Amino acid sequence: RKEVEQDPGPFNVPEGATVAFNCTYSNSASQSFFWYRQDCRKEPKLLMSVYSSGNEDGRFTAQLNRASQYISLLIRDSKLSDSATYLCVVNTGSGYSTLTFGKGTMLLVSP
Amino acid sequence: DTAVSQTPKYLVTQMGNDKSIKCEQNLGHDTMYWYKQDSKKFLKIMFSYNNKELIINETVPNRFSPKSPDKAHLNLHINSLELGDSAVYFCASSRALTPGQGSYEQYFGPGTRLTVT
Repeated sequence: RKEVEQDPGPFNVPEGATVAFNCTYSNSASQSFFWYRQDCRKEPKLLMSVYSSGNEDGRFTAQLNRASQYISLLIRDSKLSDSATYLCVVNTGSGYSTLTFGKGTMLLVSP
Repeated sequence: DTAVSQTPKYLVTQMGNDKSIKCEQNLGHDTMYWYKQDSKKFLKIMFSYNNKELIINETVPNRFSPKSPDKAHLNLHINSLELGDSAVYFCASSRALTPGQGSYEQYFGPGTRLTVT
């Protein structure tokens, strides 16, 4: 099982749609969870951290299920500017832990 | 103001050459990283420095040598470049890591697109 697995996409949605991305991780000792966004030919940028209780930032909602080792990202009312690759990111959970990135799910929002 | 900067942005060179990429952060962070993103867009950690000390060294050929002259800088030198080294190299920084604790969000530089011909 890969350390961090995501739906590869691409997800093609019209403006205004709601879209959900799923991610699973293999290391049960992981403690830190994030969603990053990467635009074409740009650097990854933090979208939001993911907390056990779930958290929301405007149109974006992140959920974490530790028992199932599953993370989700919901985007409501999609905008054209949401088109990007969304990276699920989990820390390695041991020693000096660092971040393991999923391969990303590409989202294309069309008019 | 750029938080994490890298130079050069593009680097085209021939096989066998030696090249360096520089990275600087002005966020006051104690930990810096080098990542490689290959043609399949997979982002993989290469090295991490915590307060100028190497703490993470993934399975990377020893042709790659990081150097951290101070906490704000982390450079990457690559010897004897090979075709397979072609990729985008990202520098990143974060608050200091503590063993056994979680990780902080990382801030990335704009990347250096390396092409080896």
